[in-house]
Amino acid sequence: SQQGEEDPQALSIQEGENATMNCSYKTSINNLQWYRQNSGRGLVHLILIRSNEREKHSGRLRVTLDTSKKSSSLLITASRAADTASYFCVPGNQFYFGTGTSLTVIP
Amino acid sequence: GAVVSQHPSWVICKSGTSVKIECRSLDFQATTMFWYRQFPKQSLMLMATSNEGSKATYEQGVEKDKFLINHASLTLSTLTVTSAHPEDSSFYICSARDPAGAYEQYFGPGTRLTVT
Repeated sequence: SQQGEEDPQALSIQEGENATMNCSYKTSINNLQWYRQNSGRGLVHLILIRSNEREKHSGRLRVTLDTSKKSSSLLITASRAADTASYFCVPGNQFYFGTGTSLTVIP
Repeated sequence: GAVVSQHPSWVICKSGTSVKIECRSLDFQATTMFWYRQFPKQSLMLMATSNEGSKATYEQGVEKDKFLINHASLTLSTLTVTSAHPEDSSFYICSARDPAGAYEQYFGPGTRLTVT
């Protein structure tokens, strides 16, 4: 089993700026998922990218996957205060979570 | 998307009592559900995997006699914290996979347990 390692641990940006967070993992996967957790709430599934995909978009979200480097990135464009949350990546069909990236978007 | 509910959303109980938390998949059948706990400012820790019709699989270090899990139907799993102590105070979250979907998990809103 493995969990993703998100980087940075914390990120603070101004509203309207882009936010980029990264994820690294150790073993081969067939997909990778990103989740968001607002404070004191359950998690929300954001996007799943398969191992044969290099990039995927969903609204203001852009996810990349580089299987050769065992890494993924999540880009949130034109950030909003409502994007303030913790973001987690989950490599493969796993159920283990890392410490996440805590994103604060300042209005 | 698939919806998972949890009840109650928060509960306060006294030391020594037991508390039951319910997790329901509202619009799909979940043969497998997952229970997590989360301490303030920490990540989710998987406690156990709940399998419909069979015993739950507990993660290492999780006391199965203290955290009783029952998955009696395809839409309901329950977690009972027995003889609760203040150190059991935490945020408990369940999740489930929709078998018709890919690999994403759908999470309940969580239950805040405070043991006094």
